[in-house]
Parts: sequence; structure tokens; C-alpha cells
Amino acid sequence: DIQMTQSPSSLSASVGDRVTITCQASQDISTYLNWYQQKPGKAPKLLIYDASNLETGVPSRFSGSGSGTDFSFTVSSLQPEDIATYYCQQHDNLPLTFGGGTKVEIK
Amino acid sequence: QLQLRESGPGLVKPSETLSLTCTVSGGSISNTNYYYYWGWIRQPPGKGLEWIGTVYYTGSTSYNPSLKSRVTISVDTSKNQFSLKLTSVNAADTAVYYCARAGAVVLSAFDPWGQGTLVTVSS
Repeated sequence: DIQMTQSPSSLSASVGDRVTITCQASQDISTYLNWYQQKPGKAPKLLIYDASNLETGVPSRFSGSGSGTDFSFTVSSLQPEDIATYYCQQHDNLPLTFGGGTKVEIK
Repeated sequence: QLQLRESGPGLVKPSETLSLTCTVSGGSISNTNYYYYWGWIRQPPGKGLEWIGTVYYTGSTSYNPSLKSRVTISVDTSKNQFSLKLTSVNAADTAVYYCARAGAVVLSAFDPWGQGTLVTVSS
């Protein structure tokens, strides 16, 4: 199985801050990497697919980059509505696997 | 707008079978020009996401090896539904179970997701 390691597991930042989360795959997954946002009590929502493609309707303050084994997800200017847990997911090989999540809070 | 909704018992006894159904509305599992895969994902309380398995409209399936011996996913195109059965459940199977649409290939992202349904395994 491909292991996905996210860091940090949690972070606290101020409104307007730039926030970056990293995701490392245990083997080369090219750009087969997706990012989800999960707000408390809600289902995950796809934000970015194939490492850097913004899903339709997702605000442009969200972005993703990376390839191979190292990926990053950035919120350019954190907003109060961005409070959530963010997950990466690889779709290079079965079984599909997710990172452990990064909980983002407002300072 | 495509919507998915999970349904089924919220409480299952240990060693019994968990059965859930996902009803798709606002679109068709089959009979379209673009066919998708459909998946089940679960999340134990306070923990991360685990892929359970995926089914194509033809009935072709892929399962997580960690659950493969206990999982069956099936599709009923006439009802626009797909289902999950997990046998011999134990407390570790307590989780919120989500259904979701995958892409046109089995290796893809999930979008959209159902709201999720909590299944508790307890006597």
C-alpha cells in the first residue's frame, strides 16, 4: 500500500495568514494526488485534483503543487470559513489511500 | 445536481452483517454517455478516511485488501443505487460510512460525497 504522510497534524493561524500543508507519498505517485476539505460534522469536499487542478467553484486562494513523492497545499489568505480538516489522497494505485489529515484552526 | 444519500441501520451487533445502500439522485448510475465508478469510504469517530471499495455500473468491483474478505459492493441500476455489505463486524467497524462518486476510472478522486451515516457496532 502507498502510505500518505501529512504534516503538520494540526496548525493554528490568523485570518489572512498563508497556510501550507505537506503530503508525502511512500513511493512515486506522479501527480495522482487529491486534496479534500472536511468541515466538522460534514462530508469531505474535493478541492484540488491531480495535484494542482482547482475543482470548479473552489476559491482561488486554495492551491496545490508537487509531483513524485512530495506535495503541498496552500491557502494564500486564511478565512474563518476555512476552518476544517484537510486530507490528501493518492489515486496512483489500489488501494486508494488518504493522509492522516491536518486540522486547521484560527488563532 | 448530483446527490448521494446513504441509508441503513445505525446499530449493528457484533458478528453480524452491516448493510448500507446509497441512493443516487440528479443523475444516473448508468444509461449515460459518461460512466463513473462509485465508492464507499469510512471514517471512525475522530479518525481519518479509509477507502472500502468501488463498483462500476457493470458490477465490476475493487476492494481494499484490508477488508476484502468481508466486503461486498453491488449495484442496482434499475433503482439507481449501490450497496455495501460488511460481514462479521466488530467494534473497530464503528464509523461514519460515506458513499461517493468516483471518476471514469477506478483510480480517481471522489466527488460528490453523501452526507454520511454513522454505524455503531455494539450489543
